[in-house]
Amino acid sequence: EPEVTQTPSHQVTQMGQEVILRCVPISNHLYFYWYRQILGQKVEFLVSFYNNEISEKSEIFDDQFSVERPDGSNFTLKIRSTKLEDSAMYFCASRDGQAAPNYGYTFGSGTRLTVV
Amino acid sequence: GENVEQHPSTLSVQEGDSAVIKCTYSDSASNYFPWYKQELGKRPQLIIDIRSNVGEKKDQRIAVTLNKTAKHFSLHITETQPEDSAVYFCAAKNQGGKLIFGQGTELSVKP
Repeated sequence: EPEVTQTPSHQVTQMGQEVILRCVPISNHLYFYWYRQILGQKVEFLVSFYNNEISEKSEIFDDQFSVERPDGSNFTLKIRSTKLEDSAMYFCASRDGQAAPNYGYTFGSGTRLTVV
Repeated sequence: GENVEQHPSTLSVQEGDSAVIKCTYSDSASNYFPWYKQELGKRPQLIIDIRSNVGEKKDQRIAVTLNKTAKHFSLHITETQPEDSAVYFCAAKNQGGKLIFGQGTELSVKP
């Protein structure tokens, strides 16, 4: 079964440093998402991306965040200057443009970001 | 704004009993409602889902019901087993495709 792949699985970074989280969505998918989950809390939407541009973003997704699909396969989330409160599990997801089944929504296994 | 409320936050049942988790959503344009099971440190795993044109769906011990008028949907697990213990999240998909998640329910099934 096709998978969404995320790397690294765990990243530790110093406060103020830039991090890039990487995702390889399923190859025929058209819509891409980043979500985050602070430990013990719910999964929160960050951003959606379609046709090489952001289609929707949450208020969490401020100027410190950016996304890119640089080469047609990878989908990256960059945090420019990390803060302690950015520590969370970040999930990438993708889906195809079809309605069935489950809208093709598939989550990656996540990257645990720890900012120290 | 868009919001999904989930209750209860914790639920403890005896093995073999039923468990019910309820969610309400605010965006009447939501058209897809998945339920996820999440074990510690893992990704959310889809266990069942329902679309807005269906009132009920069942898959073995798991069922979901949807009341569009009241904007709420529920997860029912029958004959619970210890391996059902996990955190369960409901979600609602908006027209743009994003999922709005509920706060989660920590289900504990005691043997």
